[in-house]
Amino acid sequence: KQEVTQIPAALSVPEGENLVLNCSFTDSAIYNLQWFRQDPGKGLTSLLLIQSSQREQTSGRLNASLDKSSGRSTLYIAASQPGDSATYLCAGQGGSEKLVFGKGTKLTVNP
Amino acid sequence: DTAVSQTPKYLVTQMGNDKSIKCEQNLGHDTMYWYKQDSKKFLKIMFSYNNKELIINETVPNRFSPKSPDKAHLNLHINSLELGDSAVYFCASSRGQGRAQPQHFGDGTRLSIL
Repeated sequence: KQEVTQIPAALSVPEGENLVLNCSFTDSAIYNLQWFRQDPGKGLTSLLLIQSSQREQTSGRLNASLDKSSGRSTLYIAASQPGDSATYLCAGQGGSEKLVFGKGTKLTVNP
Repeated sequence: DTAVSQTPKYLVTQMGNDKSIKCEQNLGHDTMYWYKQDSKKFLKIMFSYNNKELIINETVPNRFSPKSPDKAHLNLHINSLELGDSAVYFCASSRGQGRAQPQHFGDGTRLSIL
């Protein structure tokens, strides 16, 4: 049974700092790993999707990596901005097609 | 031009009532999902439909019954509401069942049981 863990649960940084969010999963037989952003009172916005055959994906200031052998993924945010403040969720998708989510990291970027 | 839209956005009702939440997507996707996010913000899948056919049915009480009249709609009907049903329910869609297809989420329906 897939379990996804995100550390830390909350993170507060000053504007401009580079930061890394961590995600670990117990079952390495995943087909893809997705990172989402959730703003208060809103749904989830898909940020990056890494297929099992890939090592990383980049979009703007975001870079996500995937290491299946160690069961880890990281989301790197460069030059953080107050607008990046949100909860970031990672989710693994396995053979059953369903996404298994972590509990998220709540990020606050202080101006 | 919202991609995945849910109605209502807020739902406050008494215990024991029956209620429905509607979801529509205009992305032309084949697969739709219902997720539940509890008070601890933990998000968990409930159901998934592909071309109106049920493909994922997690351990959800029989009081919850999804209905997909067409592939652009997936509604959720809940009978005999209980206090523990209070949560945010999210609808999502993706292009087919492909494992490299990102899921697109609605803004959620906040259900509160009194």
